[in-house]
Amino acid sequence: DAGVTQSPTHLIKTRGQHVTLRCSPISGHKSVSWYQQVLGQGPQFIFQYYEKEERGRGNFPDRFSARQFPNYSSELNVNALLLGDSALYLCASRITQGTGYPYEQYFGPGTRLTVT
Amino acid sequence: TQLLEQSPQFLSIQEGENLTVYCNSSSVFSSLQWYRQEPGEGPVLLVTVVTGGEVKKLKRLTFQFGDARKDSSLHITAAQTGDTGLYLCAGPTSGSARQLTFGSGTQLTVLP
Repeated sequence: DAGVTQSPTHLIKTRGQHVTLRCSPISGHKSVSWYQQVLGQGPQFIFQYYEKEERGRGNFPDRFSARQFPNYSSELNVNALLLGDSALYLCASRITQGTGYPYEQYFGPGTRLTVT
Repeated sequence: TQLLEQSPQFLSIQEGENLTVYCNSSSVFSSLQWYRQEPGEGPVLLVTVVTGGEVKKLKRLTFQFGDARKDSSLHITAAQTGDTGLYLCAGPTSGSARQLTFGSGTQLTVLP
């Protein structure tokens, strides 16, 4: 079975531009989360979506937005890019939104965004 | 704010040696997870520990959750070059089990 897929793999943008990153969850998984991983740090939570609704939001500015489609795939959008947005953006999928424990989430390979 | 501190930040050892990496917090976590991340890939879940004092073994890897559920350790016996990677601990963010708080990781390099 295919794992979590993300596109594109790498992306170079200029400050002030807009970027859209895409994620397809594992078949049957309805929850998608987005994380930002800056070089040398652990991933930081950005959003969680379940059944097309935002269910969680991390401490990120409004320049970051996301949505989930009926097929459970998701897009992360970042407007007015800053140099500090350069990072690996990870998508993770889960079967449910799972407020209980235990649960497992599976990460994709990420999109490496470089802002110049 | 919940923080997870991992130590050491970098570790380079010879194949066959043993090692321990640590994950500490001043906050209580209901559970902690350990992930390994290799270059160009996303983190892969290794184990979840739930009960204070719990010890779990995964082949040559031994994971322990502190009695107070504020810390955890990962011990690798007879390290192999394939163990090279970034080891991350993570726990549910207080107030929202939907989010994970990650530590900054330990970058392990096992030399042949």
